[in-house]
Amino acid sequence: QVQLVESGGGVVQPGRSLRLSCAASGFSFSSLGMHWVRQAPGKGLEWVALISYDGSNKYYADSVKGRFTISRDNSKNTLYLQMNSLRPEDTAVYYCAKRILGVLWSMDVWGQGTTVTVSS
Amino acid sequence: QSALTQPASVSGSPGQSITISCTGTSSDIGGYNYVSWYQQHPGKAPKLMIYDVTNRPSGVSNRFSGSKSGNTASLTISGLQAEDEADYYCSSYTTSTTLVFGGGTKLTVL
Repeated sequence: QVQLVESGGGVVQPGRSLRLSCAASGFSFSSLGMHWVRQAPGKGLEWVALISYDGSNKYYADSVKGRFTISRDNSKNTLYLQMNSLRPEDTAVYYCAKRILGVLWSMDVWGQGTTVTVSS
Repeated sequence: QSALTQPASVSGSPGQSITISCTGTSSDIGGYNYVSWYQQHPGKAPKLMIYDVTNRPSGVSNRFSGSKSGNTASLTISGLQAEDEADYYCSSYTTSTTLVFGGGTKLTVL
């Protein structure tokens, strides 16, 4: 069945880097754009980034632009989020999600999330 | 990009109907028909309930419906059931080629 599994979360000091991964299965990963969305503890959802099916187009929220980089390896069915210069306010559960067929800005399948804690 | 505005909480009794509003601007909700709604139970990942303002994904109950008027979108849940108790988030595409979410609404089924 369609599945997304995130990994790579953990505790990191402010200013350091972390790379998240999202392994996809059960669908044609190389045909669909993918999103990262995060949720700070006790807070709402915040969109982070979108990458097109072939990686040629990338879009970012202002809060992460210049610090985070979204990428993908279609040969490995894997999505990535490279997070640099991390700040305490980046502490959140990070979800990867796939766009619904035919609709770029809606997500119909989500992973279980991976937790990132930025603290000294 | 500021978050879309949702009421913090709404409530209703089983069998009743409730509506959750989501207010934005002409740069997001008012400018595009790319509004989605997500349901999130505690400790779980969000679930897509409505996309493109009015469309339901396969498998979502027809008790859930969406609409839009100007800069405000709405989610209506009819025939409230206990399992509908959850947090609900709206989202919209924006002119900045980004996505913005609402702050979320906690639905309580009395």
